Amino acid sequence: QQPVQSPQAVILREGEDAVINCSSSKALYSVHWYRQKHGEAPVFLMILLKGGEQKGHEKISASFNEKKQQSSLYLTASQLSYSGTYFCGTQGGSGSNYKLTFGKGTLLTVNP
Amino acid sequence: KAGVTQTPRYLIKTRGQQVTLSCSPISGHRSVSWYQQTPGQGLQFLFEYFSETQRNKGNFPGRFSGRQFSNSRSEMNVSTLELGDSALYLCASSLGPGEYKYFGAGTRLSVL
Repeated sequence: QQPVQSPQAVILREGEDAVINCSSSKALYSVHWYRQKHGEAPVFLMILLKGGEQKGHEKISASFNEKKQQSSLYLTASQLSYSGTYFCGTQGGSGSNYKLTFGKGTLLTVNP
Repeated sequence: KAGVTQTPRYLIKTRGQQVTLSCSPISGHRSVSWYQQTPGQGLQFLFEYFSETQRNKGNFPGRFSGRQFSNSRSEMNVSTLELGDSALYLCASSLGPGEYKYFGAGTRLSVL
């Protein structure tokens, strides 16, 4: 089942902060975050695993609330290069089903 | 290290034809996933292969099929093409199921 992302779009000025949320109706094993710039392939940002383990870019911050099946991506002091569409992907259950299902994306625009 | 390579980059087909897309994963990666991307729908999961076995399948009709070879390269086939199959098809590779993924640039399929 496809996770729900919010907001669908956000516009920032350089230096401002943003939070992108991802929620699922099913128990989650992991949450992945990717960013896709226009005309390019999605790029991995971070993976958050049940139990608290995280792997990803040092400058990216995210949280994973296992009980609420929710994750949030925190973008602080945004830069122009942060512009793009952010996708969260979720893997459910015990982790034995590795199917990664993505949300519809959040379009982030950072203006000078 | 070479990235994920998808060929061809662009395809134009007519309704009723069939098409085969190819994906070469990053060296050492044994898992390959396929996604369909259309405007507003995000990344729709098609299937995932690991060690030549299909591990997961999305909610697509049987016209969509795939396979993985012993060298981890994967192909995706769509038979009896429909107008609605026009999309960007993305391949992603990872060390194993559940690991973060590296995406290829995609194959843009247009069905006329």
